[in-house]
Amino acid sequence: GAVVSQHPSRVICKSGTSVKIECRSLDFQATTMFWYRQFPKKSLMLMATSNEGSKATYEQGVEKDKFLINHASLTLSTLTVTSAHPEDSSFYICSADQGGAYNEQFFGPGTRLTVL
Amino acid sequence: AQSVTQPDIHITVSEGASLELRCNYSYGATPYLFWYVQSPGQGLQLLLKYFSGDTLVQGIKGFEAEFKRSQSSFNLRKPSVHWSDAAEYFCAVVSYGNKLVFGAGTILRVKS
Repeated sequence: GAVVSQHPSRVICKSGTSVKIECRSLDFQATTMFWYRQFPKKSLMLMATSNEGSKATYEQGVEKDKFLINHASLTLSTLTVTSAHPEDSSFYICSADQGGAYNEQFFGPGTRLTVL
Repeated sequence: AQSVTQPDIHITVSEGASLELRCNYSYGATPYLFWYVQSPGQGLQLLLKYFSGDTLVQGIKGFEAEFKRSQSSFNLRKPSVHWSDAAEYFCAVVSYGNKLVFGAGTILRVKS
């Protein structure tokens, strides 16, 4: 089946630093990738949708300058949390679909970000 | 706007008992519906999906769900729960742009 990986699985950083999270589709080409944020004991909130070679589309209320998304190839999308603060601590999950008629999204295992 | 309601935040069942997790959706056209399961600190695993056709959908791990248009529901069922089924379950509907809208989730606890 389609596999999506995320790296790192956990990251702890100091306030004010930037953190990059990678999302890779391992055995398929992902036309579209999605980034979600999940707060403790809460559901997933879609942050942005990224398409290969174009700018990401951010959901309302998500700061595009804080959460930089790059979808440089059909198998890789990155989320960079810039100047991270403790309130950015969360579980970040990416997903990917293969495009065309609706296909299911395949989810990565998530990245736990802790900002001290 | 599309929305998903999972009315039960927590459900506790005994091992071997049957399970039903409720999901109601709001969508104008024929919805694409999903059930996902998430173990603590993990990503989401797809249990089953409904796009069209037979309204009773079979999934992995012995789960099934029934699409009822008249009730705008897509409830998840399992005839006999195992301790390993303890996890959080999310119902989701596809919105515009192939975006998924998730319900709040239901945490399943299994008593031995």
